[in-house]
Amino acid sequence: DAKTTQPPSMDCAEGRAANLPCNHSTISGNEYVYWYRQIHSQGPQYIIHGLKNNETNEMASLIITEDRKSSTLILPHATLRDTAVYYCMPGPGAGSYQLTFGKGTKLSVIP
Amino acid sequence: EPEVTQTPSHQVTQMGQEVILRCVPISNHLYFYWYRQILGQKVEFLVSFYNNEISEKSEIFDDQFSVERPDGSNFTLKIRSTKLEDSAMYFCASSRGGNQPQHFGDGTRLSIL
Repeated sequence: DAKTTQPPSMDCAEGRAANLPCNHSTISGNEYVYWYRQIHSQGPQYIIHGLKNNETNEMASLIITEDRKSSTLILPHATLRDTAVYYCMPGPGAGSYQLTFGKGTKLSVIP
Repeated sequence: EPEVTQTPSHQVTQMGQEVILRCVPISNHLYFYWYRQILGQKVEFLVSFYNNEISEKSEIFDDQFSVERPDGSNFTLKIRSTKLEDSAMYFCASSRGGNQPQHFGDGTRLSIL
């Protein structure tokens, strides 16, 4: 099983970019990297996913290294509402559709 | 933007009683899921459902659990005889395809007394 490693916590000043790293050295060649977040007392929220190329949407950017062993989620201008636990994980596929959540990174955006 | 809705938001039940948690997935989604999160712990997969049958389940999803799509819009999780350790947040999710992003509801907090 692909495993991911994330720092347990990070702080970011409001208005600055938040860069959240994830190591996924055992991810297989056809597995996407998915990012979700969970704001306190809410359900997990899908942010973004990618395979090899960098991706950007209205919420965030995803930078995946060329060897696919790590990725970085970038929130370009963090707000207080971005305070949450952020999870990276291999995406569903290849006969298994379950998402496997780890402990994630607790991001605190500070005024 | 379409969203997954879950009811009730909080359910309190006596141990040994049956409980049904309800979910309305996003309307054009074909895959449905249940996850749970015990307080302070990770989100755990329970079951996935497609084409009116279970496609995958975890070890947690034992004979006490069942899922059903009784009509074209609802997706339910039933726990037949609840135990204290079933106390958790239960999240429903849906996706357009099996390898597409899953979108979650805000959960039902189940408290077993």
